[in-house]
Order: sequence, then C-alpha cells, then structure tokens
Amino acid sequence: EVQMVESGGGLIQPGGSLRLSCAASGFTVNNNSLSWVRQAPGKALEWVSIIFPAGGTYYADSVKGRFTISRDHSKNTLYLQMNSLRAEDTAVYYCVKGYCSGHRCYSGTFDSWGQGTLVTVSS
Amino acid sequence: DIQMTQSPSSLSASVGDRVTIACRASETISTSLDWYQQKPGKAPNLLIFAASNLQTGVPSRFSGSGSGTDFTLTISSLQPEDFATYYCQQSYSIPFTFGPGTRVNIK
Repeated sequence: EVQMVESGGGLIQPGGSLRLSCAASGFTVNNNSLSWVRQAPGKALEWVSIIFPAGGTYYADSVKGRFTISRDHSKNTLYLQMNSLRAEDTAVYYCVKGYCSGHRCYSGTFDSWGQGTLVTVSS
Repeated sequence: DIQMTQSPSSLSASVGDRVTIACRASETISTSLDWYQQKPGKAPNLLIFAASNLQTGVPSRFSGSGSGTDFTLTISSLQPEDFATYYCQQSYSIPFTFGPGTRVNIK
C-alpha cells in the first residue's frame, strides 16, 4: 500500500528556513515523479515543485530560487528545503506521487497524497 | 502559464441530482486534464485522469469529458458523500495549474 507521510512544518518567522520531509512507503522515490503541492488557508491548490526519476527538477515561479526539492533513496524520503520564507508561503504542503498505469506514467497527475503539513510564516 | 477556470464557483444540489461542473483552459491541453475531490481538512483525491478515465475505486456515477480547452465533470446522481470541493488541473505542461475549485453544497 502506498503511503506518504509529511513532517517538518511549523511556525517560522519571515526570512527563515524550514525543511519538509515526506517519508514514502509502498513504492521507491527514485522510480517515480514526485511533487509538492500547497494550499493556503481557504484557497485553491497550487503546484510547487517536481522531481523526475532521472533527477530533473522544476519549480513554480513563486518559489524558484528559494525552494529546493530533493530525495534520499536510502531513506526513501522526499524533501523540500524552503529558504527566505514569506508570509505568502503559509499553507498546508502536500507531497504527491505521479500516476503510473502499467508502462504509462502521467507525471502531473497525482494519485497519492500525504496528509499534509502546515507551514505558517509569521512574526 | 496555462490558466484554469471553473464554473460555477459553487452550487447547491440535492441528493439524487445530476451535477455538472465546467473547466476551461486558457490554451489547448489535449486531454491532459484531471479532476480531484477534496473534503474539509483532508487531502484531495484523484477522481478522473486524462479527461475521461475513472481512477480505480471511484464510483461510476462520476464521469469526465472534453478535450482541447473545454472539459466537464458530471456526477450522475449526487450522493451524501459527494458534498465537497472539486478541482480541475492541467497536467499538460509545467507549471501544472489547478482551477479555483467548485464547492458542491447541500440544498
């Protein structure tokens, strides 16, 4: 059974840094496209970043240069390093897995979601 | 970036009603359109992928259609557990983008 469990959220001052973790089970992080998606309180979903099996990474313009996505095969864990945090980064952050069916994969279709971790940026 | 819009932003319906939600992309995305259901305090759940494919385990009362720029999610007979917010999302190109959501309320 696929499971994804986020951790690392909390209250942080503007300009601070935080690292989110997503422990995966039931699949191998290195073999799947994995993304972070966030949701500000009462707002819609926003895609943040993706890491592909080959290691390529992409970011939303709103976080480019401040956030870094990475993974650790030995721990089967996905990470999101968040620097220079702003009030507008306040959100629940979800780690999500791209959908694969047989040999066909849809990197931008998210079939498994973690429970989310809340990041609050405030002084 | 591809912008996604949804209509209506909210609707009120009764159990047993047929419900239709529209989604439009700002440029053509072929059939790279997914639908998610989100209940309060919970993570979203994938309902439909590639415009019209029902995700495993999703009830058959949910269906999706469309291609290009215009898409539709239909719930053929609304059930009590279907009251939630629904999001469309384009998976055609990065950055992946979501619609603003449609809240389905109890009438």
